[in-house]
Amino acid sequence: QVQLVESGGGLVKPGGSLRLSCAASKFTFSDYYMSWIRQAPGRGLEWVSYISSGSTYTNYADSVKGRFTISRDNAKNSLYLQMNSLRAEDTAVYYCARTIHSDPYYFDSWGQGTLVTVSS
Amino acid sequence: SYELTQPPSVTVSPGQTARITCSGDALPKQYAYWYQQKPGQAPVLIIYKDSGRPSGIPERFSGSSSGTTVTLTVSGVQAEDEADYYCQSADSSRTSLLFGGGTKLTVL
Repeated sequence: QVQLVESGGGLVKPGGSLRLSCAASKFTFSDYYMSWIRQAPGRGLEWVSYISSGSTYTNYADSVKGRFTISRDNAKNSLYLQMNSLRAEDTAVYYCARTIHSDPYYFDSWGQGTLVTVSS
Repeated sequence: SYELTQPPSVTVSPGQTARITCSGDALPKQYAYWYQQKPGQAPVLIIYKDSGRPSGIPERFSGSSSGTTVTLTVSGVQAEDEADYYCQSADSSRTSLLFGGGTKLTVL
């Protein structure tokens, strides 16, 4: 059973930074693309970013491009999201998800999420 | 910008069939996926590549595609199926992944 555990969420002021982590286990992490997806309170799902298995390829939603950076450490079975210049509209639960390299990509396993609140 | 359009809500009685649609201009050329999300929980993949069903997903969940619309069908709806359902695909250039707005399935 795939396990994904997010951490690093919390309260941050507008303009601040936060780094999310996702610890993966019970599958070969280095074989899979990985993604971050977020959900604002009471709202729908929004894809944020994905990264290829070897970190060669990354892609971002327009809403976070230039502010967020996705990365991974396959030796540590970990996925990261560095979030800078945070805005109130970035407030959301952030999920990490194992991503299947299909056409198009999709998400076959999700973590339980970590809440990020951007407020003064 | 490209969007996937879902009805905000669908209501059915137990034992009936629920159909949730998702419309998008790029859907004839690429697959769609469906996720179920119950309150306070993470989403779960229930349909892949328009009509595939992952192991462990009940047979009452099925998917189909016709033109610019994909449909999630829940046959013999049970109270435990009450949840939000999201379709997912990509834009026509396949550079951005996106979700529909979600449909709340209510079982009355």
